[in-house]
Amino acid sequence: DQQVKQNSPSLSVQEGRISILNCDYTNSMFDYFLWYKKYPAEGPTFLISISSIKDKNEDGRFTVFLNKSAKHLSLHIVPSQPGDSAVYFCAVLYNQGGKLIFGQGTELSVKP
Amino acid sequence: GAGVSQSPSNKVTEKGKDVELRCDPISGHTALYWYRQRLGQGLEFLIYFQGNSAPDKSGLPSDRFSAERTGESVSTLTIQRTQQEDSAVYLCASSIQSGQLYEQYFGPGTRLTVT
Repeated sequence: DQQVKQNSPSLSVQEGRISILNCDYTNSMFDYFLWYKKYPAEGPTFLISISSIKDKNEDGRFTVFLNKSAKHLSLHIVPSQPGDSAVYFCAVLYNQGGKLIFGQGTELSVKP
Repeated sequence: GAGVSQSPSNKVTEKGKDVELRCDPISGHTALYWYRQRLGQGLEFLIYFQGNSAPDKSGLPSDRFSAERTGESVSTLTIQRTQQEDSAVYLCASSIQSGQLYEQYFGPGTRLTVT
């Protein structure tokens, strides 16, 4: 039973355009959400996070939106760059200080 | 400062052998986690250490898997009598566990191949 779902295994975007990566979760008690980026043969790198008390958090080209009623979050990258090509994982914090539950990942390809 | 380091980076072992994987967390990080990623799948939680508290072992897939941590430093994940389905990238992460900071920082992983 998948508690965190990323339904798009891949996404292709033109350089300079917006990339939108989506994530759905099942448990309304989750209250902290994170996005990670992973290059091949490397560990995931933390990108951005959001607490359930907010609906938006922005850091440079990256913005995360949280829709608690829909149990949905999204990561927007604008403008997209070829170096953004990687696998993106959303994750939820199972309890404060505890384990992360990850989605299956979305492979983003940004074409020049 | 240095990030999370893991060794070895690659390990090939025969079915039935025991393996030991090592993780050195970021200095000052009190929490340490082990995850694994099988081919084509997401990251799967295995075990979590936080200070002197009893570890959360809820993700360990079988009693062939065990992990130890020395104080707030190095951790080892041991897999006994390895099976082919144990083949995966094993990732270690650490976090500071302070205030509202919950981000976990990952090492490069150990790629385990069981033949």
